[in-house]
Amino acid sequence: GAVVSQHPSWVICKSGTSVKIECRSLDFQATTMFWYRQFPKQSLMLMATSNEGSKATYEQGVEKDKFLINHASLTLSTLTVTSAHPEDSSFYICSAGPTKGDTQYFGPGTRLTVL
Amino acid sequence: SQKIEQNSEALNIQEGKTATLTCNYTNYSPAYLQWYRQDPGRGPVFLLLIRENEKEKRKERLKVTFDTTLKQSLFHITASQPADSATYLCALQINQAGTALIFGKGTTLSVSS
Repeated sequence: GAVVSQHPSWVICKSGTSVKIECRSLDFQATTMFWYRQFPKQSLMLMATSNEGSKATYEQGVEKDKFLINHASLTLSTLTVTSAHPEDSSFYICSAGPTKGDTQYFGPGTRLTVL
Repeated sequence: SQKIEQNSEALNIQEGKTATLTCNYTNYSPAYLQWYRQDPGRGPVFLLLIRENEKEKRKERLKVTFDTTLKQSLFHITASQPADSATYLCALQINQAGTALIFGKGTTLSVSS
């Protein structure tokens, strides 16, 4: 089956610093990838849709200048949390699907803790 | 307003029994409905997808039904095992393939031996 990887799996950073999270589709190409955020005991909430070669589409309430998304190739999307604050601490998960497929495959997630 | 509800936050059953999880939605017309398994600290793992024109889908010990009139999906695990203990997420896909998923909060299933 299709595999999506994320790096790093966990990161701890100081308040005010920036953190980059990578999402890769390992055995298929994805023109679109999705970034979700999940707080403890909550549902996955879509943050943004990452489109290869064009700007990301952000959900209402998600600051595009704070959560920078770059989708430079058909197998890689990055999410950069800029000037991180403790309230940004969460579980960030990306997903992607083969271009002509129905199913979304999820990465293992990245646990971000901002001190 | 639009809502996805999974009826139980937690479900406890004994090994060997059938677990039945429910997903109800309002004010959506999904093209697809998907079920995922999520273990603590991990990303969701795809289990089954059912389309709006399908009534039932099976995969090994798993069965999903989809009633677009009731706006409900049922997810069954037969002959449950302790290894089935996890959180199960229902997700709607509104439009064509390749669009984002809208998730319910999940039901945490515990299977005791």
